[in-house]
Amino acid sequence: NAGVTQTPKFRILKIGQSMTLQCAQDMNHNYMYWYRQDPGMGLKLIYYSVGAGITDKGEVPNGYNVSRSTTEYFPLRLELAAPSQTSVYFCASSQDSSYNEQFFGPGTRLTVL
Amino acid sequence: QKEVEQDPGPLSVPEGAIVSLNCTYSNSAFQYFMWYRQYSRKGPELLMYTYSSGNKEDGRFTAQVDKSSKYISLFIRDSQPSDSATYLCAKNFGNEKLTFGTGTRLTIIP
Repeated sequence: NAGVTQTPKFRILKIGQSMTLQCAQDMNHNYMYWYRQDPGMGLKLIYYSVGAGITDKGEVPNGYNVSRSTTEYFPLRLELAAPSQTSVYFCASSQDSSYNEQFFGPGTRLTVL
Repeated sequence: QKEVEQDPGPLSVPEGAIVSLNCTYSNSAFQYFMWYRQYSRKGPELLMYTYSSGNKEDGRFTAQVDKSSKYISLFIRDSQPSDSATYLCAKNFGNEKLTFGTGTRLTIIP
């Protein structure tokens, strides 16, 4: 199993550009998550999904959109990129919501200039 | 008050020392506690989890929960350079979301 995969690994965007961060998992997990991690700030939840067709906002959803048409994929869309969106983005998945072991991807480093 | 608070460090200790990493939490509802380890430029990975008060051991690692004082700790015995990483505590409040601390960056000096 590849686990959770993310593409691209790195990306530089200009202010106002848009892009989609890709996330895929091959563990048949119901729950999927997008976090951003800024230095010294821990992991902030952007959006999450409890199953195909169901998404909900996390702590910091502004400026982002998600969709989940299948169990495997959970892309994150940035519209009108801003310097404040410079961060490392992690996708994660989990099977249950009890102790909720989340499996993380390797991350996407995004810089907005 | 943040739901989970963690001293960001950084923390540097010599090889072989005992390391103590700590977090406090504010909400007592439904209490699974986790420690994730994150190596530089990698995603976090689950190190240990515990539900009850008291200690849970796994090799050189011990997770401790004190619900009366809302304090969770991770102890690393015989620390190794390979333990150098950022350690994040996390709490599950009974739903599908985790709340993470800010992480403590640990360096073990050979």
